[in-house]
Amino acid sequence: EVQLVESGGGLVKPGGSLRLSCVASGFTFTSAWMSWVRQAPGKGLEWVGRIKSQTYGGTTDYAAPVKGRFTLSRDDSKNTLYLQVNSLITEDTAVYFCTKTFHSDSSFDYWGQGTLVTVSS
Amino acid sequence: EIVLTQSPGTLSLSPGERATLSCRASQSVSSSYLAWYQQKPGQAPRLLIYGASRRATGIPDRFSGSGSGTDFTLTISRLEPEDFAVYYCQQKGSSWTFGQGTKVEIK
Repeated sequence: EVQLVESGGGLVKPGGSLRLSCVASGFTFTSAWMSWVRQAPGKGLEWVGRIKSQTYGGTTDYAAPVKGRFTLSRDDSKNTLYLQVNSLITEDTAVYFCTKTFHSDSSFDYWGQGTLVTVSS
Repeated sequence: EIVLTQSPGTLSLSPGERATLSCRASQSVSSSYLAWYQQKPGQAPRLLIYGASRRATGIPDRFSGSGSGTDFTLTISRLEPEDFAVYYCQQKGSSWTFGQGTKVEIK
């Protein structure tokens, strides 16, 4: 059974930082391309960033609103995906979902339960 | 960035009825890169359809997707009680974007 379990969310002041983690199981993490998708309270879904497998250089792509502030990384030895979020602003308040990309990088077939990041003074 | 517009915003239907949800793109989308998700309150989204018309693993055949270019449709042939939820379309071009969602509610 595929599982994605996020952690690391919490309440942080504007300008602060957090590191979100996602532990994966039930599939071959080393070959998976992974993404983060977020959802502000009561709002829709927004793609945040994607990291390719190490076979493809582990390269990353980011959505414009987070580029330069957020960093994706992975530790394949721990089956873990990370999202370092810096210089947080109130608009970053959201549930952050860890997802596995699917079908030639086109969609997201497995999702974690999400971790809530609240940015407030 | 490709903008996806879903309509209607809310669909009020009874169990057993047919639901037709629309997703219109601001520019042409490759059918290979159009997906649909279902989200229930307090839960993560679930992939229903990928490649515009291919059902994901375990998705009942009452869910079907169609369309091409800029117009795509998700159809639920006969609504079951568990189908009342919010549905999102999503595309991948230079980046991934989602529609704003259609809520299917019980009439």
